[in-house]
Amino acid sequence: EPEVTQTPSHQVTQMGQEVILRCVPISNHLYFYWYRQILGQKVEFLVSFYNNEISEKSEIFDDQFSVERPDGSNFTLKIRSTKLEDSAMYFCASSEGLAGGELFFGEGSRLTVL
Amino acid sequence: GENVEQHPSTLSVQEGDSAVIKCTYSDSASNYFPWYKQELGKGPQLIIDIRSNVGEKKDQRIAVTLNKTAKHFSLHITETQPEDSAVYFCAASGYGSARQLTFGSGTQLTVLP
Repeated sequence: EPEVTQTPSHQVTQMGQEVILRCVPISNHLYFYWYRQILGQKVEFLVSFYNNEISEKSEIFDDQFSVERPDGSNFTLKIRSTKLEDSAMYFCASSEGLAGGELFFGEGSRLTVL
Repeated sequence: GENVEQHPSTLSVQEGDSAVIKCTYSDSASNYFPWYKQELGKGPQLIIDIRSNVGEKKDQRIAVTLNKTAKHFSLHITETQPEDSAVYFCAASGYGSARQLTFGSGTQLTVLP
């Protein structure tokens, strides 16, 4: 069964450092997403990406965040200068499109900022 | 923006009993309501979804009902089994090509053998 894969599964970083989280969406999917879940809180939408550009983003997704699809298979989330409050589980997801509807989530990348 | 409230936050049932989890939403423009199951250390997995042109949908032991007038929807699991134990999230989104889901806060379901 096709799946969304994410790396790394866990990353520990110092405050102020740059972090890149990587995702490989399901191959025939057209829409890609990042969500995050701070420990004990709701899963929150960060950004959606379609046709090589951001289609929607939330208030959380400020100038410190960026996304990229560098090579046609990977989909990355970059945090330029991490803050303590960026510590969370980050989930990548993909979907076929409007008709498909269903979001398939990866298993997440846990980011710990010290 | 959309706000989704979910309750209860924890639910314990005996194996074989039914479990019901309820969610309310605020944005009348929302028209897609999925339910996700999240097992420890894994990502959310879709178990059932419903669109606003349907009042009820069933898939084996799982059913979802939607009341658009009251803006609430519910997940029903019958004949619960220990492997149903997990965190369940409801979510809502509006029409559009990107699925910007707003999630509820989750329900920890424990099925006691």
